[in-house]
Amino acid sequence: AQKITQTQPGMFVQEKEAVTLDCTYDTSDPSYGLFWYKQPSSGEMIFLIYQGSYDQQNATEGRYSLNFQKARKSANLVISASQLGDSAMYFCAMREGYTGGFKTIFGAGTRLFVKA
Amino acid sequence: DAGVTQSPTHLIKTRGQQVTLRCSPISGHKSVSWYQQVLGQGPQFIFQYYEKEERGRGNFPDRFSARQFPNYSSELNVNALLLGDSALYLCASSLNGQGPNEQYFGPGTRLTVT
Repeated sequence: AQKITQTQPGMFVQEKEAVTLDCTYDTSDPSYGLFWYKQPSSGEMIFLIYQGSYDQQNATEGRYSLNFQKARKSANLVISASQLGDSAMYFCAMREGYTGGFKTIFGAGTRLFVKA
Repeated sequence: DAGVTQSPTHLIKTRGQQVTLRCSPISGHKSVSWYQQVLGQGPQFIFQYYEKEERGRGNFPDRFSARQFPNYSSELNVNALLLGDSALYLCASSLNGQGPNEQYFGPGTRLTVT
């Protein structure tokens, strides 16, 4: 069965430093997609980055990169040069397959606090 | 371009009542998904619709139902409201709801059941 695990309820990082948010997943489907979303206090979910299970390279989007280790079933989000505006909840999510994969499951989230 | 829109923004209902939440996807997107997010938790998948057909359903009781219209907008209905239905209801749209296609979320409807 699908499962997403985020083991860090809260993380602190100093402004301008890098931070890694952990995500492990479990699936028996060889085809899947992994997503990271940011949710500020306003509540809106903001898409950050996507990694497909067959992608050879780790995904990068600006200051966000995804450290994808398929054998370990981990998809950690790395935020470089943290900014105060990065303080928010971060969710890892997974969608299985390309035909029946209409269901996306989310982890419990990690709350990131960026200190000035 | 307009993003995903949801209405209403906030809603207060009494136990036993019925509620309808609305969602308009991004122009060109044919898939809409609904999620329930209880305070302090990650979103839980409720439904996905593509081309007006239900393509996925999460573990929610039959009190929850949805539909998608020819213009791809969607409604989520919840009957016989319980206190536990109080949550942020998020709508997300994507091109076709499969594979690497990104989901873009709306601002959500915050439902409070008293």
